[in-house]
Amino acid sequence: QKEVEQDPGPLSVPEGAIVSLNCTYSNSAFQYFMWYRQYSRKGPELLMYTYSSGNKEDGRFTAQVDKSSKYISLFIRDSQPSDSATYLCAMASMNSGYSTLTFGKGTMLLVSP
Amino acid sequence: DAGITQSPRHKVTETGTPVTLRCHQTENHRYMYWYRQDPGHGLRLIHYSYGVKDTDKGEVSDGYSVSRSKTEDFLLTLESATSSQTSVYFCAISGGAGANVLTFGAGSRLTVL
Repeated sequence: QKEVEQDPGPLSVPEGAIVSLNCTYSNSAFQYFMWYRQYSRKGPELLMYTYSSGNKEDGRFTAQVDKSSKYISLFIRDSQPSDSATYLCAMASMNSGYSTLTFGKGTMLLVSP
Repeated sequence: DAGITQSPRHKVTETGTPVTLRCHQTENHRYMYWYRQDPGHGLRLIHYSYGVKDTDKGEVSDGYSVSRSKTEDFLLTLESATSSQTSVYFCAISGGAGANVLTFGAGSRLTVL
């Protein structure tokens, strides 16, 4: 079993839809959870960062962590064509000063006008 | 990609030739990383550095070496490039209060013929 599982998609939705992106993981030592967004031919950029279980909201984006189920989600409300990108989940086990993140393989999202 | 510059951005080379990719940061962050990104594999850590002349291997380090002689520069060298090293290479940095948060460069696309 891979440490982090993420459906590669593509996930196609119409503009305005609510999008749910998910990752599951097997390592219970993971404590820090991130979502990165990567546009085509660009580097990943941090979208959301969470430490504890529960929800964190930032504008149209909500990150949800359920440590008991080893499951994290990213919700996008009122999706826009500009949200079309690949979304990578990432996790880390401890803040030792440096970060050896474990990444999911990414889910490609396509939002059509 | 504020604060991180990768060069070259694109390179085509032949099997057996040496290749050096450069990452330059202006953020004065302690930690620097080299990842490669391939379809079906996602982002994989090659090497990372936790200070000047302090480096360590990641999960896919075979065939790669790194050097860091200054805080701002982290070099990735392929001593004898192979076709399996055709990939997009990303440099990342982290440090300070957000040590678990990586900031990525724009990427270097390498093709080995």
